[in-house]
Amino acid sequence: DAKTTQPPSMDCAEGRAANLPCNHSTISGNEYVYWYRQIHSQGPQYIIHGLKNNETNEMASLIITEDRKSSTLILPHATLRDTAVYYCIVRILTMEYGNKLVFGAGTILRVKS
Amino acid sequence: NAGVMQNPRHLVRRRGQEARLRCSPMKGHSHVYWYRQLPEEGLKFMVYLQKENIIDESGMPKERFSAEFPKEGPSILRIQQVVRGDSAAYFCASSPQGTGIFQETQYFGPGTRLLVL
Repeated sequence: DAKTTQPPSMDCAEGRAANLPCNHSTISGNEYVYWYRQIHSQGPQYIIHGLKNNETNEMASLIITEDRKSSTLILPHATLRDTAVYYCIVRILTMEYGNKLVFGAGTILRVKS
Repeated sequence: NAGVMQNPRHLVRRRGQEARLRCSPMKGHSHVYWYRQLPEEGLKFMVYLQKENIIDESGMPKERFSAEFPKEGPSILRIQQVVRGDSAAYFCASSPQGTGIFQETQYFGPGTRLLVL
């Protein structure tokens, strides 16, 4: 699985959009971009994933650049409850051996009132 | 639709005792994954199981740790002769079996916090 690079921390004002970047310059054509978050002491929570098109769900939007070397997770109206560690993970989806998620250090997002 | 269930949520053991952690996957999910998060560290993959089969145990310590996912009942992560270094949060995730990319999305449980005294 390709390696990802994320800023260690970010701050965001409550009610504003939070834009979390992720660099994955070595991503291959069949690797998906996944985002999870971990709110303090809780289990990781799935947010969204995509291959090359932009994706949106009830939680967030995922913008993937045309060359797929980077992506941005957007939380449109951040709340205090969005304070968490956000993980960007790239992985191949396959039924073969090795379906594990490889977590990096992630980005600590602090939403402030 | 209930999420992934883990119990106990907190477990205290003395050195040398055994720890048994249970994971019930989401309804309809037949794939289970165990991850460990040591204090102040990231999540690390341990093992991937399907019903009655271990598919990938590349992240499991070679000794004292074992996992199973029987035909009936929850998945069990067993740690024998626990040591203080086993103190961590243990998370279970599950995913469905099916076609398409959504078969691989893993959903996590709340975790079991193991404290070894």
